[in-house]
Amino acid sequence: DQQVKQNSPSLSVQEGRISILNCDYTNSMFDYFLWYKKYPAEGPTFLISISSIKDKNEDGRFTVFLNKSAKHLSLHIVPSQPGDSAVYFCAATGTQGGSEKLVFGKGTKLTVNP
Amino acid sequence: ETGVTQTPRHLVMGMTNKKSLKCEQHLGHNAMYWYKQSAKKPLELMFVYSLEERVENNSVPSRFSPECPNSSHLFLHLHTLQPEDSALYLCASSPLGQGGFFGEAFFGQGTRLTVV
Repeated sequence: DQQVKQNSPSLSVQEGRISILNCDYTNSMFDYFLWYKKYPAEGPTFLISISSIKDKNEDGRFTVFLNKSAKHLSLHIVPSQPGDSAVYFCAATGTQGGSEKLVFGKGTKLTVNP
Repeated sequence: ETGVTQTPRHLVMGMTNKKSLKCEQHLGHNAMYWYKQSAKKPLELMFVYSLEERVENNSVPSRFSPECPNSSHLFLHLHTLQPEDSALYLCASSPLGQGGFFGEAFFGQGTRLTVV
C-alpha cells in the first residue's frame, strides 16, 4: 500500500510557463514533507520542504503548497526552465515518536521544452 | 556534489559473487541509509542506521548485509544475489534531530548494480 502517491508519471511544460507537480499521502501521522529532484545518473537532491504547521513555503521559483485536510501537496515551479527537466520525488515523514523515515512517491518526470 | 560519496558507481556481478558497496559522508550527520531504486518503483528504504546502530530493516533479504563501522561510513555487503536485485542502490545521510526526527537526507550518486 503506497503511503505517498504521485499519480502523474510524467509532465511536459513549455519554458516560461508554470509546472505543477502533485502528491497525495494517506498516513495522517505524516507532518513533514519534502521534494527531491533527480537527474539521470545522479542521486536525488533536496529541493524544498514544508512542515504541517504551514500551508505554503516558497524558495525562489519553487513553492510548495500543503492541504492537510485533503492530504495533498503540490510543487509549483514558475517560470519553468529547461534545466528543471528531471524526475521529482515527493517524500513524507512523521517527526514525532522517533525512528521516523522518509517515504517516497514513485516520482514525476518533468520535461520543460524550450 | 552533495557530500555523500558512493563507490563503485557501476557494478556487474555474478550470482555467486560477493561484493560490497561503500558510502562515505563527512557532513557530520548521525543517520545513514540504504535505498533501492528499481525501474518504475518508489525509492525503497532498505536499512537505517542512527548513531551507528541499525534502527530499521525493512524486511530485506539476508543476501544484503549492511555494516556501519562509524558515523561516516556505511557498507552494503552483497552475497548470492539474484538478477531481480539489479537496481540503483542509493546511500543517504541526514542529521538526527530532536525526538528522533531525521532531517533532510543528502543522497550519493548511487551504484548501478547489475546481477548476471
